[in-house]
Amino acid sequence: DGGITQSPKYLFRKEGQNVTLSCEQNLNHDAMYWYRQDPGQGLRLIYYSQIVNDFQKGDIAEGYSVSREKKESFPLTVTSAQKNPTAFYLCASSNQGMNTEAFFGQGTRLTVV
Amino acid sequence: KQEVTQIPAALSVPEGENLVLNCSFTDSAIYNLQWFRQDPGKGLTSLLLIQSSQREQTSGRLNASLDKSSGRSTLYIAASQPGDSATYLCAVVFKKAAGNKLTFGGGTRVLVKP
Repeated sequence: DGGITQSPKYLFRKEGQNVTLSCEQNLNHDAMYWYRQDPGQGLRLIYYSQIVNDFQKGDIAEGYSVSREKKESFPLTVTSAQKNPTAFYLCASSNQGMNTEAFFGQGTRLTVV
Repeated sequence: KQEVTQIPAALSVPEGENLVLNCSFTDSAIYNLQWFRQDPGKGLTSLLLIQSSQREQTSGRLNASLDKSSGRSTLYIAASQPGDSATYLCAVVFKKAAGNKLTFGGGTRVLVKP
């Protein structure tokens, strides 16, 4: 099965903890993205990567970090500096180029306890 | 500022009626527009991708049109079914945006009543 796999589906974080969300794709896509979804606010871009070992900040990168050591993997770390991390996190991938379709994973719901 | 808007935020129709979902965007310089479906608590499923050079795209009961000059796209779903109940999101790749990122509208939540 080709697609994007996010894990875990649910994640609970204590105050002051860092947590890492996993995103793996087997679509051989060059570009990968992390979005955050909050009720009533739509999806907002956190980080993106267009090639291995390179990534760029999106619109709301503060309090987050990423790495892109392998083409198929783009993990997102939510650090303790992120003051309001409770949200639904979505990973996406696409081929490079202007007119390529984006595909999304099933999401990770992160809750601060 | 490059923005995408979807109105209305929610829509309820009886089964069998055609659905018309609207999406507007502020900058006509786009690479493409994509329509997604999202079920509660789930990820996004791609429905249709319309490239900037296209006027419409069709898949089964779904048809999406694109009018760049007016900054609008419309998703038509023919003969709606209860299984079409979901949130529908449109997203645009603006030419001026870095990284081919998608800019999303807020979505339209659709309920099809049996």
